[in-house]
Amino acid sequence: AQSVTQLGSHVSVSEGALVLLRCNYSSSVPPYLFWYVQYPNQGLQLLLKYTSAATLVKGINGFEAEFKKSETSFHLTKPSAHMSDAAEYFCAVSDPGGNTGKLIFGQGTTLQVKP
Amino acid sequence: DAGVIQSPRHEVTEMGQEVTLRCKPISGHDYLFWYRQTMMRGLELLIYFNNNVPIDDSGMPEDRFSAKMPNASFSTLKIQPSEPRDSAVYFCASRLAGAHYEQYFGPGTRLTVT
Repeated sequence: AQSVTQLGSHVSVSEGALVLLRCNYSSSVPPYLFWYVQYPNQGLQLLLKYTSAATLVKGINGFEAEFKKSETSFHLTKPSAHMSDAAEYFCAVSDPGGNTGKLIFGQGTTLQVKP
Repeated sequence: DAGVIQSPRHEVTEMGQEVTLRCKPISGHDYLFWYRQTMMRGLELLIYFNNNVPIDDSGMPEDRFSAKMPNASFSTLKIQPSEPRDSAVYFCASRLAGAHYEQYFGPGTRLTVT
């Protein structure tokens, strides 16, 4: 079965520091991959997506992610953290089973940004 | 577009009462998903519809939960009777067929059962 693993349920960085949130997936076929962000008391908002075009994907708010098939990874990065980046981040992968329409979500990583 | 609309945003009810959560998907979207989010279990898919037809309800916790989609612009998730362990944030999401699986989420309904 398809699965998504986000390494680290909590990540803390200083303002201005590099943000790196890790995501690994298991899939026998190239999937579609997503990062969503959830701010407190809000729904999930799409940050970026990989859909088999360029392996380096740029998203909103300065975030980007690189699809590495050999490592089955899709890590999210941002060069310089801002206080407003504090939120929960979810990695998701498309369910490869016959176009079910579902996404499989990771458990989420809470990003804390310290002043 | 207004995005996915959910109502109510907050619901507080007593154990044993019936609870109905409502969702209006983005116009033209073919798929609708209901999720539940808790600290313990994270984000769980409860059920999803394609063209108003339930496709997979394997995530529905038990018979107390039911969901309907009478038309393309409206869906309900009902809990009867409600229990304290049902307290969670319930999200509705929708997507367009062929849109690389990208889902759009509503703001959620925070349910508290006392």
